[in-house]
Amino acid sequence: NAGVMQNPRHLVRRRGQEARLRCSPMKGHSHVYWYRQLPEEGLKFMVYLQKENIIDESGMPKERFSAEFPKEGPSILRIQQVVRGDSAAYFCASSPLSGEASNYGYTFGSGTRLTVV
Amino acid sequence: KQEVTQIPAALSVPEGENLVLNCSFTDSAIYNLQWFRQDPGKGLTSLLLIQSSQREQTSGRLNASLDKSSGRSTLYIAASQPGDSATYLCAVRPVGAQKLVFGQGTRLTINP
Repeated sequence: NAGVMQNPRHLVRRRGQEARLRCSPMKGHSHVYWYRQLPEEGLKFMVYLQKENIIDESGMPKERFSAEFPKEGPSILRIQQVVRGDSAAYFCASSPLSGEASNYGYTFGSGTRLTVV
Repeated sequence: KQEVTQIPAALSVPEGENLVLNCSFTDSAIYNLQWFRQDPGKGLTSLLLIQSSQREQTSGRLNASLDKSSGRSTLYIAASQPGDSATYLCAVRPVGAQKLVFGQGTRLTINP
């Protein structure tokens, strides 16, 4: 069981470029969550997706950020026209398809560290 | 709005000591509470998950308690070792939500 896989581990982008972060959930998990950790801050929820559906995007910035979880392939967090303030660690987590609401915890990936120069 | 607070923000103790990390949350309507460990530049490792109906969970030298009515959880680490040095994060899953709400973490240093 490979766990939650995120790539790349480190990503450097110049201001104005696009950043694409990928997340493959654990086998058997069809719920994906993205979190952002700004320097010296806690993790903040961004978006929750199931296959082909965005369920909760209440934590996503209104502009430049988007997420998808297609029927085939990994979940993608896309940041357009990056700015220095986007520099952060972006973590993906997954959880099982079924089960009582209170019965499962979340498994996190190792994160992608985005640096905007 | 659920808020999670962890005290202290940083803690440094000699090796071998027992220690307690604190976590408080403002809304008792939670499904569960999870403690994580984060090493510098690394991802999150889940340590313990406590369901809302449970009072405590144990794993090796770690023991986590939950008092939902008072909005508090503690993580007890026995016989601390230098390898325990990391940031410890507490997170709750509010009822009706799929997301976790995290505290700011406690940065723990165990001195040899």
